[in-house]
Amino acid sequence: SQQGEEDPQALSIQEGENATMNCSYKTSINNLQWYRQNSGRGLVHLILIRSNEREKHSGRLRVTLDTSKKSSSLLITASRAADTASYFCATANTGRRALTFGSGTRLQVQP
Amino acid sequence: EAGVVQSPRYKIIEKKQPVAFWCNPISGHNTLYWYLQNLGQGPELLIRYENEEAVDDSQLPKDRFSAERLKGVDSTLKIQPAELGDSAVYLCASSQGETQYFGPGTRLLVL
Repeated sequence: SQQGEEDPQALSIQEGENATMNCSYKTSINNLQWYRQNSGRGLVHLILIRSNEREKHSGRLRVTLDTSKKSSSLLITASRAADTASYFCATANTGRRALTFGSGTRLQVQP
Repeated sequence: EAGVVQSPRYKIIEKKQPVAFWCNPISGHNTLYWYLQNLGQGPELLIRYENEEAVDDSQLPKDRFSAERLKGVDSTLKIQPAELGDSAVYLCASSQGETQYFGPGTRLLVL
């Protein structure tokens, strides 16, 4: 079963614009991770934020976590055509090491 | 460093036939995962191994699916017999800590 729900399901923007994706989850977590998947490829880890953290940056990525609302957001700044992919949030739940993935946001960046 | 290797990349079989997928994790990674990814969805865990021990197989349909990791390194996932609904991408991942590293997946089509 899917733990998280991503919003929006699909997003189309112009190169240079910022892209924001949101994720909601249901249970207590140890950490939340974001992954990217290019069409026909495996998933690539982008960033991990722990349950006691509120915000984290990595290059053009900014992730926030609100455990009271059980939600997270991923911001990609100054998007590029190469950012076109599906983005998934995944939670590591308390007591379970495996990740539970959401259904993903399909991002299309128009050159 | 080589990533997670999976083979075959693509497989087409008729229903009721058996099929097997192979995964070689990143060297030194004790934890190995098999995920199922349906079209337009995030991955869902089938089984997790710690070395050669299956420690989380609650989502594995044991009537037709089986897996093994005999020497605690590479792993095989088998389906026998395959059904039409098994058409999906089968992803293998490995980890040593919290970040999981995914292989490119095996795309299975059951006719």
